Amino acid sequence: DAEITQSPRHKITETGRQVTLACHQTWNHNNMFWYRQDLGHGLRLIHYSYGVHDTNKGEVSDGYSVSRSNTEDLPLTLESAASSQTSVYFCASSSGTSGLQETQYFGPGTRLLVL
Amino acid sequence: AQSVTQLGSHVSVSEGALVLLRCNYSSSVPPYLFWYVQYPNQGLQLLLKYTTGATLVKGINGFEAEFKKSETSFHLTKPSAHMSDAAEYFCAVSRYGNNRLAFGKGNQVVVIP
Repeated sequence: DAEITQSPRHKITETGRQVTLACHQTWNHNNMFWYRQDLGHGLRLIHYSYGVHDTNKGEVSDGYSVSRSNTEDLPLTLESAASSQTSVYFCASSSGTSGLQETQYFGPGTRLLVL
Repeated sequence: AQSVTQLGSHVSVSEGALVLLRCNYSSSVPPYLFWYVQYPNQGLQLLLKYTTGATLVKGINGFEAEFKKSETSFHLTKPSAHMSDAAEYFCAVSRYGNNRLAFGKGNQVVVIP
């Protein structure tokens, strides 16, 4: 079955370190998204991509970057981890072929703790 | 820009009682509206969505929601709560051609036996 996976599921790191969170989908979806989930804030969009080599900033993109070299993967990099980036990170994808709003399918999440 | 308001971060409901979660949105253009559910330690899954057509939308697990343009609302209901409905519920809005979602802050539903 097609799916969307994230790795690692849990990560502990130190402030100032570079961290990369992986997201991989096997639906051949064009659109991919990264969100962070924090208590009292719901989900907030970090970065998104509408296709290979396309990336765009979301509402909370400072300190994060993404690159899209193929259809299946959209890794999220924290350039220099900060304690404020402790959060649960979700990757999502949608088809991107109909031109209409399509359902986004979510991965299981990565819990990141920055000490 | 669009935004979503969900009041009451925690909602307690007795088993067998009505579940009602309120969602109000602001959007400068006709919106697409979604309800997602998140079970503990899992990702989000779609409950239901409104794009066009019938304003009463039925979803999985007995949930439904009604789009009311005049009230800018998309409230989620279920006639009879079950213990398995304990989860966090998110309302989200998008607009045509945008493919990006703006989420509300969520409602944590607790079902009391």
